Amino acid sequence: EPEVTQTPSHQVTQMGQEVILRCVPISNHLYFYWYRQILGQKVEFLVSFYNNEISEKSEIFDDQFSVERPDGSNFTLKIRSTKLEDSAMYFCASSVGSGRAGEQFFGPGTRLTVL
Amino acid sequence: AQSVTQLGSHVSVSEGALVLLRCNYSSSVPPYLFWYVQYPNQGLQLLLKYTTGATLVKGINGFEAEFKKSETSFHLTKPSAHMSDAAEYFCAVTHGSSNTGKLIFGQGTTLQVKP
Repeated sequence: EPEVTQTPSHQVTQMGQEVILRCVPISNHLYFYWYRQILGQKVEFLVSFYNNEISEKSEIFDDQFSVERPDGSNFTLKIRSTKLEDSAMYFCASSVGSGRAGEQFFGPGTRLTVL
Repeated sequence: AQSVTQLGSHVSVSEGALVLLRCNYSSSVPPYLFWYVQYPNQGLQLLLKYTTGATLVKGINGFEAEFKKSETSFHLTKPSAHMSDAAEYFCAVTHGSSNTGKLIFGQGTTLQVKP
């Protein structure tokens, strides 16, 4: 069964460093998402991506964040200068469509720890 | 704006007992509602969804949920709990006119099943 994969499973970085979280969505999916979950809090939407551009982003997704689909299979989230409060589990998701057709399939997550 | 409230961050039931996980939503437009389950060290897996039509929806693993517009609720039930149901459960909402499929999640409910 096709699945969304994410690497690495755990990333530890120093404050101020850049990190890139990688995701491989399901191959025929067209919509891509990043969510995050700070420990003990709810899963929060960060950004959605369709047709090689951001379709919606939350207020969390500031200039420190960027997304890219560099090669037609990977979908990446870059945090330019990490802060302590960026420590969280980051989930990638993908779907065939949006709205009614948009069942989102989630990856296992990357746990980011910023020291 | 849309929001989701899950009553009870932890629910404990005995094996074989009824499972009831509560979810209330707020939405100014007709909602699409979802329940996701997260097993340890895994991603979010869709249990069931309501978009339109029949208000009682059946999902995987014997779970079902009923959309009650008058109560703005979408509670998740299972007649008989199994040990393998122990996990975290998330209720989420989006809406049909969303072009991005952004999901708004509740806080999550951890289900413990006692032997």
